[in-house]
Amino acid sequence: QQQVKQSPQSLIVQKGGISIINCAYENTAFDYFPWYQQFPGKGPALLIAIRPDVSEKKEGRFTISFNKSAKQFSLHIMDSQPGDSATYFCAASPNTGNQFYFGTGTSLTVIP
Amino acid sequence: DSGVTQTPKHLITATGQRVTLRCSPRSGDLSVYWYQQSLDQGLQFLIQYYNGEERAKGNILERFSAQQFPDLHSELNLSSLELGDSALYFCASSVGPSQNIQYFGAGTRLSVL
Repeated sequence: QQQVKQSPQSLIVQKGGISIINCAYENTAFDYFPWYQQFPGKGPALLIAIRPDVSEKKEGRFTISFNKSAKQFSLHIMDSQPGDSATYFCAASPNTGNQFYFGTGTSLTVIP
Repeated sequence: DSGVTQTPKHLITATGQRVTLRCSPRSGDLSVYWYQQSLDQGLQFLIQYYNGEERAKGNILERFSAQQFPDLHSELNLSSLELGDSALYFCASSVGPSQNIQYFGAGTRLSVL
């Protein structure tokens, strides 16, 4: 079964708007949560990551919000730009290893 | 450029055949991971090697096998290929065996006809 559930499947946002992608997990052994960005024809590239000891992490226009009790985390892209149009994957990794369990991906389109 | 090199970029083959996908990790990275990306399954972890030893196994079929060589490059062998094996296969690498950032290659697109 899918260990990390991601929504929405696709998202269309106006330039300058906020894009929000949500993920949820069940396995309490997960303790590393990265977000990857993938452009067509390319491999996924790390965007930002968080560990459960903090509730929020911000890097430029990208912010991860983490709710440990609800086992949910989300990616917020502020001031979304057309260049942000890509597929975004959340992932989780257990404390016993480094294999990533990916969400199913969100295709983001930012309209100029 | 992530520094992870995968060859070939594209591979077209027939059902029942065997293929080998190759991955060279970033300089200094000891861990290599293989993932399969298909439209219906998303990105699925297959297997991890660390410094030549198998470290973790995911949803890897028995028809698939991998190894990591002393120079740290890795190969993923896919045999008795089926139509459903058509997918993008990604290799990633990281410095250590756990809790580390993974850097992905550009992938090998496998088409089984």
